Amino acid sequence: GEDVEQSLFLSVREGDSSVINCTYTDSSSTYLYWYKQEPGAGLQLLTYIFSNMDMKQDQRLTVLLNKKDKHLSLRIADTQTGDSAIYFCAETGGYQKVTFGIGTKLQVIP
Amino acid sequence: DADVTQTPRNRITKTGKRIMLECSQTKGHDRMYWYRQDPGLGLQLIYYSFDVKDINKGEISDGYSVSRQAQAKFSLSLESAIPNQTALYFCATTDTLRGYGYTFGSGTRLTVV
Repeated sequence: GEDVEQSLFLSVREGDSSVINCTYTDSSSTYLYWYKQEPGAGLQLLTYIFSNMDMKQDQRLTVLLNKKDKHLSLRIADTQTGDSAIYFCAETGGYQKVTFGIGTKLQVIP
Repeated sequence: DADVTQTPRNRITKTGKRIMLECSQTKGHDRMYWYRQDPGLGLQLIYYSFDVKDINKGEISDGYSVSRQAQAKFSLSLESAIPNQTALYFCATTDTLRGYGYTFGSGTRLTVV
């Protein structure tokens, strides 16, 4: 079945760039997503990318997609303490079911 | 008001009790989902519904049941709660998976003792 993998933890200093990586197995994925979960809250859609795109930029967020390697990354420029959260990578499978990774906890050190 | 509302926000229940978690949405979305979140396991799909007459099992449906009472309401029941059902439960909605993703509720933290 579909699988989405991401590392568990990332620590960066405030003002630096953060890069969160994700790999997926489903070659038929049409959309790939990044969600953010703050403590005590539900998941919030940050951004998404269509599978025929290589890159998408939205203010401080840059998503890179390497479809050949099934690799997705989220870069957060000028990381702030408010960016501390868990970030989930997700993709749509062939039956329009979304598969989530286990989440990467981003810790921003002041 | 939130687009997707889950009640209750927190619940402690005893083993063997029946419990219902409720979800309502004002987005007008057709599709509704119930997920369970456990530390280190990400989100696992329990049940999903594409319209009022449609109910589908997800990855971990055993021990759970659902009811889609209306387009806007989707409830999750644990008929006889057990401790390993202690988790954070999320309801999510979408009208299409073509780029819009899900809208999530704030979650229900359920503890079974």
